[in-house]
Amino acid sequence: KAGVTQTPRYLIKTRGQQVTLSCSPISGHRSVSWYQQTPGQGLQFLFEYFSETQRNKGNFPGRFSGRQFSNSRSEMNVSTLELGDSALYLCASSLDPTSGGTYNEQFFGPGTRLTVL
Amino acid sequence: AQSVSQHNHHVILSEAASLELGCNYSYGGTVNLFWYVQYPGQHLQLLLKYFSGDPLVKGIKGFEAEFIKSKFSFNLRKPSVQWSDTAEYFCAVNLYNFNKFYFGSGTKLNVKP
Repeated sequence: KAGVTQTPRYLIKTRGQQVTLSCSPISGHRSVSWYQQTPGQGLQFLFEYFSETQRNKGNFPGRFSGRQFSNSRSEMNVSTLELGDSALYLCASSLDPTSGGTYNEQFFGPGTRLTVL
Repeated sequence: AQSVSQHNHHVILSEAASLELGCNYSYGGTVNLFWYVQYPGQHLQLLLKYFSGDPLVKGIKGFEAEFIKSKFSFNLRKPSVQWSDTAEYFCAVNLYNFNKFYFGSGTKLNVKP
């Protein structure tokens, strides 16, 4: 199976702009989660989507939003970019843990490196 | 709020030394526990996981971890590290049946040849 793919791999934006990142999960995986990774902070959970619905959300401002399509592909949008949004944004996919098992291992993509100038 | 603590931010070892990385979490309910590794320039990969059963779990590349419920800990160990183990290691906790993961801040391991 192909792994989780994320596009683009690198982005450079300026403050105030908006950005959209894309994630394609592993075939058959219905849950997609997004994380922000910064040095010293580790991975901070942004949100999780399942069946086109946001099911879990982290503590990020409303500038961060996402959506999921019927084919489980997901997009993340950040509006009004700030310098502090510079980070590696990771997408992870997994099988639905509520489908009868506890097998909810997350598989990560390579990430999108966002630089805000 | 739930949290995951990794006590060592940066560890430097010589090859063949033993490794133990600490991980503690704060959640009283049923959890699933994971260790992920991120090699330089590569994406996060699963090292090992604990769902239930034997609290001593073995993962890839000779790593193992022990779940001690009374201490809310899930420490990662390897008897003899290699230069190729140089990477950043993340402990993660998932609340049972909720697809919401909490990650520690990571431990950078530098193994000197």
